[in-house]
Amino acid sequence: AQSVAQPEDQVNVAEGNPLTVKCTYSVSGNPYLFWYVQYPNRGLQFLLKYITGDNLVKGSYGFEAEFNKSQTSFHLKKPSALVSDSALYFCAVRDIRDSNYQLIWGAGTKLIIKP
Amino acid sequence: EPEVTQTPSHQVTQMGQEVILRCVPISNHLYFYWYRQILGQKVEFLVSFYNNEISEKSEIFDDQFSVERPDGSNFTLKIRSTKLEDSAMYFCASIPRVVDEQYFGPGTRLTVT
Repeated sequence: AQSVAQPEDQVNVAEGNPLTVKCTYSVSGNPYLFWYVQYPNRGLQFLLKYITGDNLVKGSYGFEAEFNKSQTSFHLKKPSALVSDSALYFCAVRDIRDSNYQLIWGAGTKLIIKP
Repeated sequence: EPEVTQTPSHQVTQMGQEVILRCVPISNHLYFYWYRQILGQKVEFLVSFYNNEISEKSEIFDDQFSVERPDGSNFTLKIRSTKLEDSAMYFCASIPRVVDEQYFGPGTRLTVT
């Protein structure tokens, strides 16, 4: 069965430090992988995606993520955290063989950046 | 930049009443989705819609739910007889192609009392 795991409910990072939000996935075929961010009382905003090509993908607001096929992971990273990065982050995967293109979502990780 | 819009932003209804949540996807998109999110929790897939028909639905999407694309622009989600547990944020999303990220609307907060 397809699934996405975000093992940490919450991640706390001091401003200026690097941050990592973890995501692992399980699909039958090859994955399309996505990260979305949700600010309080707002909708979901796309950050970045991995479709094919370079394993390191860069996205909005200085975020990047590395696709690791052997570890079935797609961790979100940023070299230097900002207080404004505090939000809820969701990892999602789509099996490229899924003709309905449904996204399977992780449970979300609350990122708190402390000044 | 084109965006997905949703109306209303907040809907309060009494248990047992029907509600219709409206979405206007981006005009050249072909695939449409409804999701719901109970406050601060996981995003849950409800239904996907392509070529004027449901392509997939989750177990949440029971007989109380229906979707329509009544014209070339609107995409609606109807809940026939709302229950307290239907209280959530409902998000509409659309994509032009399979490899693309989903574009989400701002959501409708549904409160069932």
